[in-house]
Amino acid sequence: QQKVQQSPESLIVPEGGMASLNCTSSDRNVDYFWWYRQHSGKSPKMLMSIFSNGEKEEGRFTVHLNKASLHTSLHIRDSQPSDSALYLCAASAGGYKVVFGSGTRLLVSP
Amino acid sequence: GALVYQYPRRTICKSGTSMRMECQAVGFQATSVAWYRQSPQKTFELIALSTVNSAIKYEQNFTQEKFPISHPNLSFSSMTVLNAYLEDRGLYLCGARDFYEQYFGPGTRLTVL
Repeated sequence: QQKVQQSPESLIVPEGGMASLNCTSSDRNVDYFWWYRQHSGKSPKMLMSIFSNGEKEEGRFTVHLNKASLHTSLHIRDSQPSDSALYLCAASAGGYKVVFGSGTRLLVSP
Repeated sequence: GALVYQYPRRTICKSGTSMRMECQAVGFQATSVAWYRQSPQKTFELIALSTVNSAIKYEQNFTQEKFPISHPNLSFSSMTVLNAYLEDRGLYLCGARDFYEQYFGPGTRLTVL
Protein backbone atom coordinates (compact mmCIF):
# COMPACT_ATOMS: atom_id res chain seq x y z
CA GLN A 1 0.00 0.00 0.00
CA GLN A 2 1.60 3.21 -1.15
CA LYS A 3 2.13 5.86 1.52
CA VAL A 4 2.87 9.51 0.93
CA GLN A 5 4.75 11.31 3.68
CA GLN A 6 4.86 15.08 3.91
CA SER A 7 7.09 17.28 6.02
CA PRO A 8 7.02 19.45 7.93
CA GLU A 9 3.53 19.13 9.39
CA SER A 10 3.37 22.87 9.79
CA LEU A 11 5.51 25.77 8.72
CA ILE A 12 5.60 29.47 9.49
CA VAL A 13 7.42 31.83 7.15
CA PRO A 14 7.55 35.62 7.11
CA GLU A 15 5.89 37.51 4.31
CA GLY A 16 8.30 37.72 1.40
CA GLY A 17 10.18 34.64 2.56
CA MET A 18 10.69 31.23 0.96
CA ALA A 19 8.55 28.27 1.97
CA SER A 20 9.88 24.78 1.26
CA LEU A 21 7.67 21.71 1.55
CA ASN A 22 8.66 18.07 1.15
CA CYS A 23 6.93 14.92 0.00
CA THR A 24 8.13 11.33 -0.34
CA SER A 25 6.40 8.24 -1.68
CA SER A 26 6.97 4.76 -0.32
CA ASP A 27 6.31 3.14 -3.70
CA ARG A 28 9.29 2.64 -6.00
CA ASN A 29 6.92 2.66 -8.97
CA VAL A 30 5.72 6.20 -8.31
CA ASP A 31 5.48 8.02 -11.59
CA TYR A 32 3.41 11.15 -10.99
CA PHE A 33 3.18 13.75 -8.23
CA TRP A 34 0.70 16.53 -7.75
CA TRP A 35 0.72 19.47 -5.36
CA TYR A 36 -2.59 20.91 -4.20
CA ARG A 37 -3.47 23.88 -2.05
CA GLN A 38 -6.53 23.87 0.15
CA HIS A 39 -7.76 26.99 1.90
CA SER A 40 -9.86 26.50 4.99
CA GLY A 41 -13.37 25.31 4.16
CA LYS A 42 -12.62 24.96 0.46
CA SER A 43 -11.84 22.07 -1.86
CA PRO A 44 -8.24 21.50 -2.98
CA LYS A 45 -6.96 23.27 -6.07
CA MET A 46 -4.10 21.83 -8.08
CA LEU A 47 -0.98 23.95 -8.12
CA MET A 48 1.40 21.85 -10.17
CA SER A 49 2.05 18.35 -11.32
CA ILE A 50 5.36 16.73 -12.23
CA PHE A 51 6.44 13.40 -13.65
CA SER A 52 9.93 14.05 -15.02
CA ASN A 53 13.10 14.40 -13.00
CA GLY A 54 14.16 17.96 -12.55
CA GLU A 55 12.45 21.22 -11.89
CA LYS A 56 9.30 22.94 -13.01
CA GLU A 57 8.52 26.58 -12.34
CA GLU A 58 5.27 28.50 -12.55
CA GLY A 59 5.36 32.02 -11.24
CA ARG A 60 6.40 31.98 -7.58
CA PHE A 61 6.06 28.21 -7.34
CA THR A 62 8.83 25.73 -8.15
CA VAL A 63 8.55 21.97 -7.93
CA HIS A 64 11.51 19.59 -7.87
CA LEU A 65 11.35 15.87 -8.49
CA ASN A 66 13.98 13.25 -7.79
CA LYS A 67 12.58 9.92 -8.88
CA ALA A 68 15.55 7.96 -7.53
CA SER A 69 14.73 9.12 -4.01
CA LEU A 70 10.96 9.14 -4.65
CA HIS A 71 10.97 12.72 -3.42
CA THR A 72 9.37 15.92 -4.55
CA SER A 73 9.48 19.38 -3.04
CA LEU A 74 7.48 22.55 -3.49
CA HIS A 75 9.09 25.95 -3.02
CA ILE A 76 7.14 29.16 -2.76
CA ARG A 77 9.20 32.31 -3.08
CA ASP A 78 8.06 35.75 -2.00
CA SER A 79 5.40 34.11 0.17
CA GLN A 80 2.21 36.08 0.70
CA PRO A 81 -0.37 35.87 3.51
CA SER A 82 -2.81 34.55 0.89
CA ASP A 83 -0.50 31.53 0.48
CA SER A 84 -1.46 30.44 4.00
CA ALA A 85 -3.24 27.12 3.49
CA LEU A 86 -2.95 23.35 3.72
CA TYR A 87 -0.62 22.00 1.02
CA LEU A 88 -1.29 18.46 -0.07
CA CYS A 89 0.97 16.19 -2.02
CA ALA A 90 -0.52 13.33 -4.01
CA ALA A 91 1.14 10.55 -5.96
CA SER A 92 0.29 7.74 -8.30
CA ALA A 93 2.34 4.65 -9.03
CA GLY A 94 1.72 3.30 -12.48
CA GLY A 95 -2.04 3.32 -12.38
CA TYR A 96 -5.15 5.33 -11.76
CA LYS A 97 -4.96 5.30 -7.97
CA VAL A 98 -3.85 8.56 -6.39
CA VAL A 99 -2.83 8.66 -2.74
CA PHE A 100 -2.63 11.82 -0.64
CA GLY A 101 -0.21 12.79 2.08
CA SER A 102 -1.45 14.32 5.31
CA GLY A 103 -0.43 17.81 4.27
CA THR A 104 1.73 20.69 5.42
CA ARG A 105 -0.03 23.62 7.00
CA LEU A 106 1.66 26.83 5.91
CA LEU A 107 1.23 30.13 7.70
CA VAL A 108 2.71 33.25 6.18
CA SER A 109 3.00 35.91 8.80
CA PRO A 110 2.60 39.55 7.72
CA GLY B 1 -11.40 23.36 -20.17
CA ALA B 2 -11.76 20.34 -17.94
CA LEU B 3 -14.18 20.71 -15.07
CA VAL B 4 -15.71 18.43 -12.50
CA TYR B 5 -19.08 19.28 -11.01
CA GLN B 6 -20.45 17.83 -7.82
CA TYR B 7 -23.98 17.95 -6.49
CA PRO B 8 -25.13 18.82 -3.92
CA ARG B 9 -22.48 21.15 -2.53
CA ARG B 10 -23.77 20.84 1.01
CA THR B 11 -26.22 18.48 2.60
CA ILE B 12 -27.50 17.65 6.04
CA CYS B 13 -29.00 14.32 6.93
CA LYS B 14 -30.30 12.71 10.05
CA SER B 15 -28.31 9.95 11.65
CA GLY B 16 -29.26 6.59 10.17
CA THR B 17 -30.54 7.98 6.87
CA SER B 18 -28.85 7.89 3.48
CA MET B 19 -27.80 10.47 0.98
CA ARG B 20 -26.65 10.37 -2.63
CA MET B 21 -24.06 12.60 -4.24
CA GLU B 22 -23.18 13.04 -7.89
CA CYS B 23 -20.09 13.83 -9.92
CA GLN B 24 -19.99 15.03 -13.53
CA ALA B 25 -16.86 15.42 -15.66
CA VAL B 26 -17.14 18.07 -18.36
CA GLY B 27 -14.69 18.85 -21.14
CA PHE B 28 -12.76 15.59 -20.99
CA GLN B 29 -13.31 11.85 -20.89
CA ALA B 30 -12.73 10.55 -17.38
CA THR B 31 -10.97 7.22 -17.60
CA SER B 32 -11.22 6.86 -13.84
CA VAL B 33 -13.22 8.37 -11.05
CA ALA B 34 -12.12 8.29 -7.43
CA TRP B 35 -14.14 9.23 -4.38
CA TYR B 36 -12.33 10.65 -1.36
CA ARG B 37 -13.43 11.73 2.08
CA GLN B 38 -11.79 14.40 4.17
CA SER B 39 -13.00 14.08 7.74
CA PRO B 40 -12.53 16.97 10.15
CA GLN B 41 -8.82 17.45 10.88
CA LYS B 42 -7.84 14.58 8.59
CA THR B 43 -6.35 14.15 5.17
CA PHE B 44 -8.08 12.76 2.14
CA GLU B 45 -8.89 9.09 2.40
CA LEU B 46 -9.54 7.22 -0.80
CA ILE B 47 -12.91 5.48 -0.60
CA ALA B 48 -13.00 3.75 -3.94
CA LEU B 49 -11.63 3.91 -7.44
CA SER B 50 -13.70 3.23 -10.53
CA THR B 51 -11.95 2.74 -13.85
CA VAL B 52 -13.26 2.09 -17.31
CA ASN B 53 -13.89 -1.58 -17.96
CA SER B 54 -12.92 -2.61 -14.43
CA ALA B 55 -14.82 -3.38 -11.27
CA ILE B 56 -15.00 -0.65 -8.66
CA LYS B 57 -12.24 -1.18 -6.09
CA TYR B 58 -12.87 -0.17 -2.51
CA GLU B 59 -10.12 0.70 -0.06
CA GLN B 60 -9.71 -0.87 3.33
CA ASN B 61 -12.31 0.42 5.80
CA PHE B 62 -14.75 1.27 3.02
CA THR B 63 -17.29 -1.16 1.54
CA GLN B 64 -19.75 -1.29 -1.29
CA GLU B 65 -22.45 -2.07 1.24
CA LYS B 66 -21.88 1.27 2.91
CA PHE B 67 -20.81 3.42 -0.08
CA PRO B 68 -22.40 2.00 -3.24
CA ILE B 69 -21.06 3.69 -6.37
CA SER B 70 -22.49 3.87 -9.86
CA HIS B 71 -20.27 4.83 -12.80
CA PRO B 72 -22.48 4.24 -15.85
CA ASN B 73 -20.40 6.23 -18.34
CA LEU B 74 -17.15 8.16 -18.73
CA SER B 75 -18.59 11.43 -17.51
CA PHE B 76 -20.85 10.59 -14.59
CA SER B 77 -20.53 8.90 -11.23
CA SER B 78 -22.68 8.80 -8.13
CA MET B 79 -22.05 7.56 -4.62
CA THR B 80 -24.50 6.98 -1.80
CA VAL B 81 -23.64 7.11 1.89
CA LEU B 82 -25.97 4.55 3.42
CA ASN B 83 -27.05 4.70 7.02
CA ALA B 84 -24.95 7.78 7.74
CA TYR B 85 -23.60 8.40 11.21
CA LEU B 86 -21.51 11.10 12.82
CA GLU B 87 -18.22 9.54 11.68
CA ASP B 88 -19.36 9.87 8.05
CA ARG B 89 -19.40 13.66 8.16
CA GLY B 90 -16.86 15.49 6.09
CA LEU B 91 -16.04 16.73 2.63
CA TYR B 92 -16.55 14.14 -0.10
CA LEU B 93 -14.49 14.81 -3.16
CA CYS B 94 -14.78 13.32 -6.59
CA GLY B 95 -11.56 13.19 -8.59
CA ALA B 96 -11.70 12.37 -12.28
CA ARG B 97 -8.64 11.55 -14.33
CA ASP B 98 -7.89 11.57 -18.01
CA PHE B 99 -4.94 9.43 -17.02
CA TYR B 100 -2.36 12.17 -16.59
CA GLU B 101 -4.17 14.93 -14.81
CA GLN B 102 -6.60 14.57 -11.96
CA TYR B 103 -9.36 17.14 -11.67
CA PHE B 104 -11.35 17.62 -8.51
CA GLY B 105 -14.86 18.77 -8.04
CA PRO B 106 -15.75 21.31 -5.36
CA GLY B 107 -16.91 18.56 -3.03
CA THR B 108 -20.09 17.67 -1.21
CA ARG B 109 -19.98 18.63 2.45
CA LEU B 110 -22.00 16.19 4.52
CA THR B 111 -23.27 17.07 7.97
CA VAL B 112 -24.90 14.34 10.01
CA LEU B 113 -27.25 15.33 12.83
